[in-house]
Amino acid sequence: DVKVTQSSRYLVKRTGEKVFLECVQDMDHENMFWYRQDPGLGLRLIYFSYDVKMKEKGDIPEGYSVSREKKERFSLILESASTNQTSMYLCASGTVREQYFGPGTRLTVT
Amino acid sequence: SQKIEQNSEALNIQEGKTATLTCNYTNYSPAYLQWYRQDPGRGPVFLLLIRENEKEKRKERLKVTFDTTLKQSLFHITASQPADSATYLCALPTRYGNKLVFGAGTILRVKS
Repeated sequence: DVKVTQSSRYLVKRTGEKVFLECVQDMDHENMFWYRQDPGLGLRLIYFSYDVKMKEKGDIPEGYSVSREKKERFSLILESASTNQTSMYLCASGTVREQYFGPGTRLTVT
Repeated sequence: SQKIEQNSEALNIQEGKTATLTCNYTNYSPAYLQWYRQDPGRGPVFLLLIRENEKEKRKERLKVTFDTTLKQSLFHITASQPADSATYLCALPTRYGNKLVFGAGTILRVKS
Protein backbone atom coordinates (compact mmCIF):
# COMPACT_ATOMS: atom_id res chain seq x y z
CA ASP A 1 0.00 0.00 0.00
CA VAL A 2 1.27 3.44 -0.93
CA LYS A 3 1.63 5.63 2.04
CA VAL A 4 1.93 9.40 2.10
CA THR A 5 2.18 10.88 5.55
CA GLN A 6 2.05 14.49 6.67
CA SER A 7 3.61 15.76 9.86
CA SER A 8 0.48 17.25 11.43
CA ARG A 9 -3.26 16.89 10.97
CA TYR A 10 -4.04 20.23 12.63
CA LEU A 11 -1.82 23.25 13.13
CA VAL A 12 -2.48 26.68 14.59
CA LYS A 13 0.08 29.41 13.99
CA ARG A 14 0.29 33.13 14.49
CA THR A 15 0.62 35.71 11.74
CA GLY A 16 4.26 36.24 10.81
CA GLU A 17 5.48 32.85 12.05
CA LYS A 18 7.55 30.58 9.83
CA VAL A 19 5.68 27.34 9.24
CA PHE A 20 7.04 24.00 8.07
CA LEU A 21 4.78 21.29 6.67
CA GLU A 22 6.46 17.96 6.09
CA CYS A 23 5.45 15.17 3.75
CA VAL A 24 6.96 11.70 3.42
CA GLN A 25 6.16 9.01 0.86
CA ASP A 26 7.28 5.40 0.85
CA MET A 27 6.80 4.47 -2.81
CA ASP A 28 10.06 5.81 -4.26
CA HIS A 29 8.09 8.24 -6.44
CA GLU A 30 10.11 10.88 -8.24
CA ASN A 31 7.26 13.39 -8.30
CA MET A 32 5.78 15.05 -5.26
CA PHE A 33 3.20 17.81 -5.06
CA TRP A 34 1.83 20.35 -2.59
CA TYR A 35 -1.76 21.58 -2.97
CA ARG A 36 -4.04 23.74 -0.93
CA GLN A 37 -7.77 23.15 -0.86
CA ASP A 38 -10.34 25.82 -0.11
CA PRO A 39 -14.15 25.55 -0.26
CA GLY A 40 -15.46 26.16 -3.75
CA LEU A 41 -11.98 26.47 -5.24
CA GLY A 42 -10.89 22.88 -5.39
CA LEU A 43 -7.28 21.81 -5.16
CA ARG A 44 -4.74 24.34 -6.33
CA LEU A 45 -1.14 23.41 -6.97
CA ILE A 46 1.42 25.37 -4.98
CA TYR A 47 4.69 23.66 -5.94
CA PHE A 48 5.83 20.35 -7.27
CA SER A 49 9.12 18.50 -7.45
CA TYR A 50 10.19 15.96 -10.05
CA ASP A 51 13.49 15.03 -8.46
CA VAL A 52 15.66 15.68 -5.43
CA LYS A 53 16.55 19.36 -5.19
CA MET A 54 14.35 20.13 -8.23
CA LYS A 55 11.19 22.17 -7.91
CA GLU A 56 8.70 23.95 -10.09
CA LYS A 57 6.13 26.58 -9.27
CA GLY A 58 2.52 25.62 -9.48
CA ASP A 59 -0.41 27.97 -9.89
CA ILE A 60 -0.19 29.78 -6.53
CA PRO A 61 3.44 29.79 -5.29
CA GLU A 62 3.43 33.28 -3.77
CA GLY A 63 4.17 33.23 -0.06
CA TYR A 64 5.47 29.66 -0.14
CA SER A 65 8.73 27.86 -0.71
CA VAL A 66 9.65 24.17 -0.79
CA SER A 67 12.56 21.91 -0.05
CA ARG A 68 13.36 18.44 -1.36
CA GLU A 69 16.66 17.20 0.05
CA LYS A 70 15.71 13.50 -0.03
CA LYS A 71 13.58 11.63 -2.51
CA GLU A 72 11.00 10.57 0.04
CA ARG A 73 10.54 13.94 1.74
CA PHE A 74 9.01 17.16 0.43
CA SER A 75 8.59 20.16 2.71
CA LEU A 76 6.39 23.19 2.28
CA ILE A 77 7.50 26.39 4.00
CA LEU A 78 5.42 29.43 4.75
CA GLU A 79 8.07 32.08 5.26
CA SER A 80 5.77 34.48 7.13
CA ALA A 81 2.33 33.05 7.70
CA SER A 82 -0.66 35.23 6.93
CA THR A 83 -4.35 34.75 7.66
CA ASN A 84 -5.11 34.16 3.97
CA GLN A 85 -2.96 31.05 4.15
CA THR A 86 -5.47 29.41 6.47
CA SER A 87 -6.40 26.34 4.47
CA MET A 88 -6.19 22.57 4.09
CA TYR A 89 -2.79 21.57 2.73
CA LEU A 90 -2.47 18.30 0.86
CA CYS A 91 0.70 16.55 -0.21
CA ALA A 92 0.71 13.99 -2.99
CA SER A 93 3.19 11.74 -4.74
CA GLY A 94 2.97 9.79 -7.98
CA THR A 95 2.48 10.87 -11.56
CA VAL A 96 -0.02 13.03 -13.37
CA ARG A 97 -1.83 9.79 -14.25
CA GLU A 98 -2.33 8.75 -10.64
CA GLN A 99 -1.58 10.65 -7.48
CA TYR A 100 -1.57 9.40 -3.91
CA PHE A 101 -2.52 11.93 -1.31
CA GLY A 102 -1.67 12.31 2.34
CA PRO A 103 -4.36 12.92 4.96
CA GLY A 104 -3.91 16.69 4.84
CA THR A 105 -2.92 19.35 7.34
CA ARG A 106 -5.56 21.85 8.36
CA LEU A 107 -3.61 25.03 9.06
CA THR A 108 -5.17 27.96 10.86
CA VAL A 109 -3.27 31.26 10.98
CA THR A 110 -4.54 33.69 13.60
CA SER B 1 -5.93 27.84 -19.00
CA GLN B 2 -8.12 24.84 -18.47
CA LYS B 3 -11.25 25.33 -16.38
CA ILE B 4 -13.22 22.47 -14.92
CA GLU B 5 -16.85 22.75 -13.89
CA GLN B 6 -18.49 20.33 -11.53
CA ASN B 7 -21.93 20.78 -10.06
CA SER B 8 -21.46 22.83 -6.92
CA GLU B 9 -24.79 21.72 -5.53
CA ALA B 10 -24.83 18.51 -3.56
CA LEU B 11 -26.49 15.50 -5.17
CA ASN B 12 -28.90 13.73 -2.85
CA ILE B 13 -30.16 10.33 -3.93
CA GLN B 14 -31.86 7.31 -2.46
CA GLU B 15 -29.94 4.13 -1.73
CA GLY B 16 -30.06 1.69 -4.65
CA LYS B 17 -30.40 4.39 -7.30
CA THR B 18 -27.75 5.38 -9.82
CA ALA B 19 -25.84 8.55 -9.06
CA THR B 20 -24.58 10.55 -12.03
CA LEU B 21 -22.00 13.29 -11.60
CA THR B 22 -20.85 15.65 -14.32
CA CYS B 23 -17.48 17.13 -15.16
CA ASN B 24 -17.25 19.73 -17.92
CA TYR B 25 -14.06 21.34 -19.15
CA THR B 26 -13.74 24.42 -21.28
CA ASN B 27 -10.49 24.42 -23.13
CA TYR B 28 -8.33 21.88 -24.97
CA SER B 29 -9.32 18.22 -24.82
CA PRO B 30 -6.95 16.27 -22.59
CA ALA B 31 -5.47 12.89 -23.39
CA TYR B 32 -7.17 11.48 -20.30
CA LEU B 33 -9.32 12.41 -17.35
CA GLN B 34 -9.38 11.13 -13.77
CA TRP B 35 -11.88 10.80 -10.97
CA TYR B 36 -11.03 10.91 -7.26
CA ARG B 37 -13.08 10.37 -4.12
CA GLN B 38 -12.57 12.52 -1.04
CA ASP B 39 -14.04 11.87 2.39
CA PRO B 40 -14.39 14.75 4.90
CA GLY B 41 -11.06 15.69 6.45
CA ARG B 42 -9.12 13.26 4.26
CA GLY B 43 -7.02 13.42 1.13
CA PRO B 44 -8.48 12.43 -2.26
CA VAL B 45 -8.24 8.81 -3.36
CA PHE B 46 -7.73 7.89 -7.02
CA LEU B 47 -10.64 5.93 -8.54
CA LEU B 48 -10.40 5.78 -12.31
CA LEU B 49 -8.55 7.13 -15.32
CA ILE B 50 -10.19 7.19 -18.74
CA ARG B 51 -8.32 7.93 -21.95
CA GLU B 52 -9.73 10.10 -24.72
CA ASN B 53 -10.18 7.13 -27.03
CA GLU B 54 -11.92 4.93 -24.46
CA LYS B 55 -15.38 6.54 -24.40
CA GLU B 56 -16.41 4.38 -21.42
CA LYS B 57 -14.69 2.60 -18.55
CA ARG B 58 -16.07 0.44 -15.75
CA LYS B 59 -14.79 -0.65 -12.36
CA GLU B 60 -17.17 -2.62 -10.17
CA ARG B 61 -20.19 -0.32 -9.63
CA LEU B 62 -18.45 2.67 -11.22
CA LYS B 63 -18.79 3.74 -14.83
CA VAL B 64 -17.10 6.72 -16.43
CA THR B 65 -17.73 8.14 -19.88
CA PHE B 66 -15.64 10.67 -21.76
CA ASP B 67 -17.07 12.71 -24.62
CA THR B 68 -14.43 14.94 -26.19
CA THR B 69 -17.00 16.54 -28.50
CA LEU B 70 -19.13 17.70 -25.58
CA LYS B 71 -16.00 18.27 -23.44
CA GLN B 72 -17.66 16.29 -20.71
CA SER B 73 -17.18 13.28 -18.49
CA LEU B 74 -19.97 11.53 -16.63
CA PHE B 75 -19.33 9.49 -13.50
CA HIS B 76 -21.97 6.92 -12.56
CA ILE B 77 -22.32 4.89 -9.38
CA THR B 78 -24.89 2.15 -9.79
CA ALA B 79 -26.78 0.57 -6.86
CA SER B 80 -25.54 3.40 -4.66
CA GLN B 81 -24.99 2.87 -0.95
CA PRO B 82 -24.70 5.28 1.99
CA ALA B 83 -20.98 4.42 2.09
CA ASP B 84 -20.64 6.05 -1.35
CA SER B 85 -21.40 9.43 0.25
CA ALA B 86 -18.35 11.61 -0.35
CA THR B 87 -17.05 14.40 -2.55
CA TYR B 88 -16.03 13.34 -6.05
CA LEU B 89 -13.39 15.30 -7.91
CA CYS B 90 -12.48 15.17 -11.55
CA ALA B 91 -9.01 16.07 -12.71
CA LEU B 92 -7.22 16.40 -16.01
CA PRO B 93 -3.70 17.21 -17.10
CA THR B 94 -2.57 20.60 -18.29
CA ARG B 95 -1.81 21.09 -21.97
CA TYR B 96 1.83 20.14 -21.46
CA GLY B 97 0.88 17.21 -19.28
CA ASN B 98 3.08 17.90 -16.29
CA LYS B 99 0.41 18.97 -13.81
CA LEU B 100 -3.16 18.14 -12.92
CA VAL B 101 -6.04 20.58 -12.74
CA PHE B 102 -8.79 19.61 -10.32
CA GLY B 103 -12.44 20.53 -10.26
CA ALA B 104 -13.97 21.79 -7.02
CA GLY B 105 -15.86 18.54 -6.63
CA THR B 106 -19.48 17.48 -6.18
CA ILE B 107 -20.82 16.24 -2.84
CA LEU B 108 -22.83 13.05 -3.13
CA ARG B 109 -25.20 12.04 -0.31
CA VAL B 110 -26.83 8.64 -0.47
CA LYS B 111 -29.72 8.22 1.92
CA SER B 112 -30.95 4.87 3.20
